[in-house]
Amino acid sequence: SQTIHQWPATLVQPVGSPLSLECTVEGTSNPNLYWYRQAAGRGLQLLFYSVGIGQISSEVPQNLSASRPQDRQFILSSKKLLLSDSGFYLCAWSVRRGRTGELFFGEGSRLTVL
Amino acid sequence: TQLLEQSPQFLSIQEGENLTVYCNSSSVFSSLQWYRQEPGEGPVLLVTVVTGGEVKKLKRLTFQFGDARKDSSLHITAAQPGDTGLYLCAGARVSQGNLIFGKGTKLSVKP
Repeated sequence: SQTIHQWPATLVQPVGSPLSLECTVEGTSNPNLYWYRQAAGRGLQLLFYSVGIGQISSEVPQNLSASRPQDRQFILSSKKLLLSDSGFYLCAWSVRRGRTGELFFGEGSRLTVL
Repeated sequence: TQLLEQSPQFLSIQEGENLTVYCNSSSVFSSLQWYRQEPGEGPVLLVTVVTGGEVKKLKRLTFQFGDARKDSSLHITAAQPGDTGLYLCAGARVSQGNLIFGKGTKLSVKP
């Protein structure tokens, strides 16, 4: 069966510090991978998605970047965090070329920038 | 512009009551999904509806896709405290690769 894991689960960082959130998927090949941010326990904002190694699409211009160094690894980064980067970050995967685009989410990473 | 409107935003009910939450859009979707999210966790897929007019049941949960594939509803019978959570609907469009999420309905079922 497929699993998705992201870490760390909780992170408290000062403004201006770097960030690295990691996500790995097991049990599937060539997945589409996604990073979402969720504010105040509500709607999901798509940040980045990737259809293959080294292929990253950004949905929202911001202080963050993403990379996909391996087929089942997706990394969310920042060189200098802002207060507004605080939130709940979710990694997800879907079947490539899947008709319905169903998403399978990781456990989430709570980021607090002070 | 919010393409998927969910209502109500918040719902607090007593155990044993029935409830319906709605997901509406002016756009046509090729499929629509419902997710449930508990605090501090990622959303979990409940169901996918694909055909206009389709009804799917998952124990006490009944999902319906509108005939025109623009809206959907989720009905819960005899709600239990374990049903508490954020219910998100998400639509897929052929012309757009990524899902469009609603803002969710936050359900609280009190014992």
